[in-house]
Formats: sequence, structure tokens, C-alpha cells
Amino acid sequence: DGGITQSPKYLFRKEGQNVTLSCEQNLNHDAMYWYRQDPGQGLRLIYYSQIVNDFQKGDIAEGYSVSREKKESFPLTVTSAQKNPTAFYLCASNSGDRRGYGYTFGSGTRLTVV
Amino acid sequence: GENVEQHPSTLSVQEGDSAVIKCTYSDSASNYFPWYKQELGKRPQLIIDIRSNVGEKKDQRIAVTLNKTAKHFSLHITETQPEDSAVYFCAARPSLGGGATNKLIFGTGTLLAVQP
Repeated sequence: DGGITQSPKYLFRKEGQNVTLSCEQNLNHDAMYWYRQDPGQGLRLIYYSQIVNDFQKGDIAEGYSVSREKKESFPLTVTSAQKNPTAFYLCASNSGDRRGYGYTFGSGTRLTVV
Repeated sequence: GENVEQHPSTLSVQEGDSAVIKCTYSDSASNYFPWYKQELGKRPQLIIDIRSNVGEKKDQRIAVTLNKTAKHFSLHITETQPEDSAVYFCAARPSLGGGATNKLIFGTGTLLAVQP
């Protein structure tokens, strides 16, 4: 069953702590993305990667970091420099050609600062 | 940069009525326009999409129209039902020549409430 898996579903972070959100896909997609969604708001792009070992900043990259060492995996680290990290985080992927411009989204991780 | 504007931000209709959500995009070379439905606390899911070489596409009660000259596209839902209540996002895929990526530019979303 192909898809994109995010874990954990819920995550609690203490002040000053780094946390890492996992995103894994078995769709053989080249491109992967991280979005942040605040309550009642739209989707804001944090980072994206079009190919392994390459990634670019999105609109709100400050306080976040990513890696893309494997095609299947695109973890997001929320660092202590991100002052307001409480949000719903969505990972997405798509293929790099006309067969699949549309995104497949993961089920999301809800991060809360405690 | 690329931009997608979406209106209205909220829409309330009576069950059985039609709902229309409109989006405009800035990059005239955009070539793909999907619509996503997001229920509360869940992931966005693709409900319909259209490519730039097509003017209209239908799937049962849902249709999307594209006007490339005016750079806008719309989602039409007929015979609305309470389960259509959700947030709907439009998006566009810019095509900027050699610098093109596969990322989508999203609108800000429309909260659709279908009243029974």
C-alpha cells in the first residue's frame, strides 16, 4: 500500500529543545515538501527537496532544518531558534514529471510547545 | 514571486445549493491547477485537477473551469451535502522555464459550511 507516513502524530516540545519530525514515502517520488499550518490558516512552505542530497528554503525556513539523504525520507528538525513552533506540520511529495504534479500529503504531525 | 489568491475565505450555503470558489494566479505560464479538500484535523486530499490545455473538467458533482486569458480558475460544487463541509485549497504549478520546480503555490483556503 503506497503512501506517505508522518510520525509521530502528536509531539510535545519543551522550551529550548530540538525535535525531529519524520516523513517517509514509498511512492518513488522525487520531490518532497514540508508545510506548516496554523489554526484556520493556509499552508506555508518551510523547505522542499527536488532530488536526493539537495533541498531549498521555502517561505518560512528560519528555525527549521532538513536533510535528504535518501529518496524515501525527508525529516524536519524544529530547532530552538523557532520561537513559535506550535502548529500542524504536513509533509507532501510528488513525482517530477507530468504523471504526478499533484501532491500526496502525509497525515500530519501536531507539535505543541509545553 | 508567484501568487495565488483565493475567494471567498468563508462560504455558507444551504444543502442542495451550489458553491463556487474562485482563484487567480500570477504566473501566466502556470500549467497545472489542483483543488484540495481538508477536513478538520486531517490531511488535504486532491479532489480534482486541471491542466492548462483544458478549459473544464467534471467529476460527478464537482467541476473545475480554467480561464487562461484572465488567469483564473474556479471550483464548482453542485447539490451540496453536509459532508462537503471542509476547507478547500486551490493551487497552481508555476512554469518558469529553466528554473521551474514541481512545487505548488497554494491559495489561502475557503471554509465551506453546508447547512442542513
